[in-house]
Formats: sequence, C-alpha cells, structure tokens
Amino acid sequence: QPALTQPRSVSGSPGQSVTISCIGTSSDVGAYNYVSWYQQHPGKAPKVMIYDVTKRPSGVPDRFSGSKSGNTASLTISGLQPEDEAVYSCCSAAGMHSHVIFGAGTKLTVL
Amino acid sequence: QVRLVQSGAEVRKPGASVKISCKASGYTFINYYIHWVRQAPGQGLEWVALLNPSGGLTTYSQKFQGRVTMTRDTSTGTVDMEVSSLRSEDTAVYYCARDSSPWLVHSYVFDIWGQGTMVTVSS
Repeated sequence: QPALTQPRSVSGSPGQSVTISCIGTSSDVGAYNYVSWYQQHPGKAPKVMIYDVTKRPSGVPDRFSGSKSGNTASLTISGLQPEDEAVYSCCSAAGMHSHVIFGAGTKLTVL
Repeated sequence: QVRLVQSGAEVRKPGASVKISCKASGYTFINYYIHWVRQAPGQGLEWVALLNPSGGLTTYSQKFQGRVTMTRDTSTGTVDMEVSSLRSEDTAVYYCARDSSPWLVHSYVFDIWGQGTMVTVSS
C-alpha cells in the first residue's frame, strides 16, 4: 500500500503559519478519525504532536493544530519558531486488522 | 519512567537474518500494544508489524508477511523482531513504539518510542 501523500518540503519565516497536507484514501484517512502527526528532528525518534485528527498531547504548544476533510488531513503550525524545523509525518489507521500507514514526511524549514 | 530500550546496531549480509529487541520498563508490559516502524536512510516512516503482549498475537504489514516474526517474553518485558532473507532495501533504523491506549484497544497513537536500532545489510 503506497504511503500517504505529503509535500516533500514547506518553509516559512518565524512568526508565520504553515500548513502541511496529508492525502490518503477512503480506506485510511477518509475512513477513520485516527490521524496523527509526528515531529522528528535529525537522529531522533518521532514525537506525537497531534492525534485523533485534532487533539494535542499534554505539553504540545497550541500553535500546533490538526484538521481533516474527506481523504485529506492537515497540520497547521502557527507562529513558527526556529525549533519547529523538523520532518513532520502523518499517520493513519488503514483498513482492517489494525494496520497503520504513514506519510512520506515533509521537511519544514524555518527561514 | 516509561521507556523502550532497543538493542544495538547490526550488520548483516544479504540473505541472512537479524533479530532485534525492545525492552519495556516503567509500565505494565502486557497492557499496551507494541509496534515496529522502520525508516530507511533519507526516507519516511514505514509500519512493519504489531504485537499484543498479553496473548502474543501478531499482525504484519502485507509487505513483510512471511519475512518478519515478532515474539515477546512477558517475564522480561521484551519484544523481539526477526527479519529474514535480508536484502539491501532492508537497511534502515528500526523503531519499536508503544500504542498509547492502556486497555489493549487500538488508539493508533504511538506515545513512547525506542531509540532506534540501525540495521545495515551489505555484502
């Protein structure tokens, strides 16, 4: 099963907002509200930033928000800060039998 | 402190097998699903498999079915994953990750990750 489709890269200046899209199908993103987003700095393990489409774990700044429409999920980061520079990957439940699918990852550059 | 600690880096030749481990601590091991996710150099995350640590049942990505085996030892809180018939494309960092739901109900949220194990397949 191909990965969820994400832009390869996005960029923004400090203080600006960026939105990263994650395009799936009616068998994954469109079928479940189990979309999550992970932030990964170089050489580090991923960290969950958004889960269940819109929820933020404790400790994640409210600058991070998530949404979904049909087969497309989105992560918006407002008030960009230098430490937001990382790779962001979306993740969704996929089909039956508890399978999971990830996006290919989007490199966020804070200019 | 809730942690997943993985075994060290491995180098194997094509066609060989490798077994890597993930030791859980700081929580009740049998209450949370464990997944394996891999990341090839410069590539995205890829889901490999999951294990129910209570009953030992496993689910594998179709891509890895037949080539990957997950097992667990409830006495030590350890999950192992063996990958056989290795090829160069299996070169990746392999992560174990915990599903965040404490009741063996899939949440599809990975709240705790191991530090990663680099597996290199090269002749």
